[in-house]
Amino acid sequence: GESVGLHLPTLSVQEGDNSIINCAYSNSASDYFIWYKQESGKGPQFIIDIRSNMDKRQGQRVTVLLNKTVKHLSLQIAATQPGDSAVYFCAENPGNQFYFGTGTSLTVIP
Amino acid sequence: NAGVTQTPKFQVLKTGQSMTLQCAQDMNHNSMYWYRQDPGMGLRLIYYSASEGTTDKGEVPNGYNVSRLNKREFSLRLESAAPSQTSVYFCASSLTVIQFFGPGTRLTVL
Repeated sequence: GESVGLHLPTLSVQEGDNSIINCAYSNSASDYFIWYKQESGKGPQFIIDIRSNMDKRQGQRVTVLLNKTVKHLSLQIAATQPGDSAVYFCAENPGNQFYFGTGTSLTVIP
Repeated sequence: NAGVTQTPKFQVLKTGQSMTLQCAQDMNHNSMYWYRQDPGMGLRLIYYSASEGTTDKGEVPNGYNVSRLNKREFSLRLESAAPSQTSVYFCASSLTVIQFFGPGTRLTVL
């Protein structure tokens, strides 16, 4: 199967600071990437996506950066809020299914 | 609009027992998926259905069967449960590549 990994399993940030969550993917054929947020006891929720022909995409308070040269994906959250505390997953799609990373747990300190 | 619903929320089985996990979506999505989530691992695809009447194996299909009953419903069956199937099971649906997840079923096999 695919290997989608995260550099840091846990991340703690102060409220109001920016957060950066990283993800390494293994399949250079992947042409689509998604970030999901999963709160405790709930299913994953879509945050933002990016296609392989882009290197940056911005949403509301979130930015995804894609570096295909080193097969690296990052999620930046601006002005992190307590409601951002969750596990964040990246997922890659090299074909007809998605492969998910193990997740990074983000804790926001008030 | 309930999105993706799953029943039951929790279930405890003894080894060898069978059960069916139910999933329904009201978003008129063509594709539906079953994942399992284990501690320290990302979501892993068990089976998916790209459209009504079709099903395909994912990454970890052994020990499971599925039925795409109609466009709304996609069930997952464990014929003879094993302790290795203790996990949280998520159903998802999609119209495009973005998947919408249900709240999950926490299954324990003793």
